Amino acid sequence: DVKVTQSSRYLVKRTGEKVFLECVQDMDHENMFWYRQDPGLGLRLIYFSYDVKMKEKGDIPEGYSVSREKKERFSLILESASTNQTSMYLCATRLAGGPTDTQYFGPGTRLTVL
Amino acid sequence: QQQVKQSPQSLIVQKGGISIINCAYENTAFDYFPWYQQFPGKGPALLIAIRPDVSEKKEGRFTISFNKSAKQFSLHIMDSQPGDSATYFCAASKKTSGSRLTFGEGTQLTVNP
Repeated sequence: DVKVTQSSRYLVKRTGEKVFLECVQDMDHENMFWYRQDPGLGLRLIYFSYDVKMKEKGDIPEGYSVSREKKERFSLILESASTNQTSMYLCATRLAGGPTDTQYFGPGTRLTVL
Repeated sequence: QQQVKQSPQSLIVQKGGISIINCAYENTAFDYFPWYQQFPGKGPALLIAIRPDVSEKKEGRFTISFNKSAKQFSLHIMDSQPGDSATYFCAASKKTSGSRLTFGEGTQLTVNP
């Protein structure tokens, strides 16, 4: 079974703080993704990574950056947290070139920025 | 710009009934259409998926119907059960985008006993 873990289930931060969200997968998947989930907006792609040290902007990258130094770990960084970044953040992985295009999701981190 | 539009936003069905969720897409280059199911406190998980070379795919009580000319696809849940109560997301992707998914807005399904 694919296991995708996220460092925190709940996080409360102050406006202006630098925030790190960590995602770790144990299945040697090349592709990793960061989404945010908001009611009525579905899941929106922030950044994704095809492989180690590779990253591409998704649909809403403003205010975020990412780091992928090791294959199993993909970090999302909020350089200066703002209240409009209060959201559920979901990490996902995908096996590149696999028989399906399935993405496997972690349980999510609910971030509140005060 | 929402490239995949999903309806309804919420749906209440009686046990044993049929649940139907609809999605419409704009980009004709999309070539993979999955549905994800999300229970409270969990991440979404793939439920069923279809490619545009077929018009229907069935897995147990879950069926995807696909209409390429109308750029629409739908999820049908037959004999809906209270355990099906969850949020459902449709999505679409194209090979040339590296399989990055574009999701619909989500539908919260409640199946009453």
